[in-house]
Amino acid sequence: GESVGLHLPTLSVQEGDNSIINCAYSNSASDYFIWYKQESGKGPQFIIDIRSNMDKRQGQRVTVLLNKTVKHLSLQIAATQPGDSAVYFCAEASGGYNKLIFGAGTRLAVHP
Amino acid sequence: KAGVTQTPRYLIKTRGQQVTLSCSPISGHRSVSWYQQTPGQGLQFLFEYFSETQRNKGNFPGRFSGRQFSNSRSEMNVSTLELGDSALYLCASSTREGGNTEAFFGQGTRLTVV
Repeated sequence: GESVGLHLPTLSVQEGDNSIINCAYSNSASDYFIWYKQESGKGPQFIIDIRSNMDKRQGQRVTVLLNKTVKHLSLQIAATQPGDSAVYFCAEASGGYNKLIFGAGTRLAVHP
Repeated sequence: KAGVTQTPRYLIKTRGQQVTLSCSPISGHRSVSWYQQTPGQGLQFLFEYFSETQRNKGNFPGRFSGRQFSNSRSEMNVSTLELGDSALYLCASSTREGGNTEAFFGQGTRLTVV
């Protein structure tokens, strides 16, 4: 498939370990944050979102943490599996109208 | 429920030509956004439509335009194509009229300009 990003930072983990992907966002007025997973040749797939009135939200095997003080977002994936290998993007939005500003992305490589 | 559908999947055009890409949102979704994805610039917002009205626009030249129809389907057009327009064009749909909510993406249209 086509390359999503040629020089993305890569996080390599062993299957079964927990993964933490970090993201620094730019706009202190952003009030909505979202994580996407993108596999080669596919569009971004929604993972989890969080609003600025929360600092933690959990989904199935995933947790998003939001630290507004330092404008930092993280995605934790528990018991990482080979199928989790992909590029992960964080995105922020403010003011409605569904305009997402995306981070550069992190490539997650899961090794057996 | 069917997902977001984009057509065509792949397209090759020559410099100077124009192109139209199509997006059918998830049934019931009235907001459609378009993004350009390139290895160098990443994912960049082009524009967003709701009820046939463009509500927001990214920082792209006027050669990039779009529209939305009454059934929420959307098209984007790029005129006078340049080599740098080669990219994956992604469409996303979401439900909310106001405020942000999760946007669901299609598979994209891979445009190559030669």
